[in-house]
Amino acid sequence: EAQVTQNPRYLITVTGKKLTVTCSQNMNHEYMSWYRQDPGLGLRQIYYSMNVEVTDKGDVPEGYKVSRKEKRNFPLILESPSPNQTSLYFCASSKQRGTYEQYFGPGTRLTVT
Amino acid sequence: GQNIDQPTEMTATEGAIVQINCTYQTSGFNGLFWYQQHAGEAPTFLSYNVLDGLEEKGRFSSFLSRSKGYSYLLLKELQMKDSASYLCAVRGPSQAGTALIFGKGTTLSVSS
Repeated sequence: EAQVTQNPRYLITVTGKKLTVTCSQNMNHEYMSWYRQDPGLGLRQIYYSMNVEVTDKGDVPEGYKVSRKEKRNFPLILESPSPNQTSLYFCASSKQRGTYEQYFGPGTRLTVT
Repeated sequence: GQNIDQPTEMTATEGAIVQINCTYQTSGFNGLFWYQQHAGEAPTFLSYNVLDGLEEKGRFSSFLSRSKGYSYLLLKELQMKDSASYLCAVRGPSQAGTALIFGKGTTLSVSS
């Protein structure tokens, strides 16, 4: 089954404790992206990757890091999480950046206390 | 600047037709997407328009006018399961890396 998976689905952590949210897709997609979704603000892009070893900042990259060492994986790293990073996070992939639809993962609900 | 506007909430009854509008102002335009998102779930793709006109797909249709910076999503024969948030998203300039700029979404409530 073609899908985007994320782990964990739910995470409660404390300020400053480094964490990684994994994202993996099995569709051989070139383009992958991370979004956060907050009430009243909609979906905002954090980082994206056009292919292996090619990543760039989206609209709200502060406090996040990413890497793309393999085509299928695109982990999101929070080196020192803060309460303002409490949010619902979605990973997405598409065949290429252009007109192709994006497939979203199930989401990761992160709470930073 | 980049701006996408949609109504925050709409209500309708089963069997009715509802139109969700989206207006956009972006520094470039390379297509407009509509996504459906049920509460607590991931967005799922509904439609894509890049040329002016109406695209029909079953009970859902999407319209685009590039000169007016305007799109709408039309849902016919509404069902309870159509209660969800509907996200309008614009693909910006091709030279920019950001794929999609999302509106804040329209929450549609369908009642019996």
